Amino acid sequence: KNEVEQSPQNLTAQEGEFITINCSYSVGISALHWLQQHPGGGIVSLFMLSSGKKKHGRLIATINIQEKHSSLHITASHPRDSAVYICALHTGNQFYFGTGTSLTVIP
Amino acid sequence: GAVVSQHPSWVICKSGTSVKIECRSLDFQATTMFWYRQFPKQSLMLMATSNEGSKATYEQGVEKDKFLINHASLTLSTLTVTSAHPEDSSFYICSAPDRGAYGYTFGSGTRLTVV
Repeated sequence: KNEVEQSPQNLTAQEGEFITINCSYSVGISALHWLQQHPGGGIVSLFMLSSGKKKHGRLIATINIQEKHSSLHITASHPRDSAVYICALHTGNQFYFGTGTSLTVIP
Repeated sequence: GAVVSQHPSWVICKSGTSVKIECRSLDFQATTMFWYRQFPKQSLMLMATSNEGSKATYEQGVEKDKFLINHASLTLSTLTVTSAHPEDSSFYICSAPDRGAYGYTFGSGTRLTVV
């Protein structure tokens, strides 16, 4: 069993739709990160979470430590949101990466 | 915000040659740099952790003699792929803890193709 499971693997949405990407994990963590990787490969850190909820623009990230689950939400999705979204765990001395969710937002 | 500048963005080299990839922290001191490799359609894999002034720590299965990491200053870490083979072709990316809200800043990545 992988330490990090993301779902869905692929997601296609119409512009304006509300999008949710899920991440479940099985190890104790010091922090959970949501990353965005664009087609060219560059990676941007979107959120670092250890509890609760964070919001940045149209992006919202939540984490439930007891349930070992995090979600990334995108409100009013736009074609420029098309990217691969990666859930990454930091356990203090190890990193675990999800396989990513490939999001395509159609105009 | 914190920026990590990674060069080159892409490189093509012949089998048997060596390639050096640089990651430079531009507006903060990176005492630690993480080096990752990503094969097509796969997730990031941590290769090694470099710490300024000391030897790098390599993940299991990563050949330290093949992937030479140097972190000689607080703003520069380098990864040298020695005696490159086609199977080393991959996307290499670095990241550093930046003490900011997002935790880590990533370089823009280097796409290495060995022919």
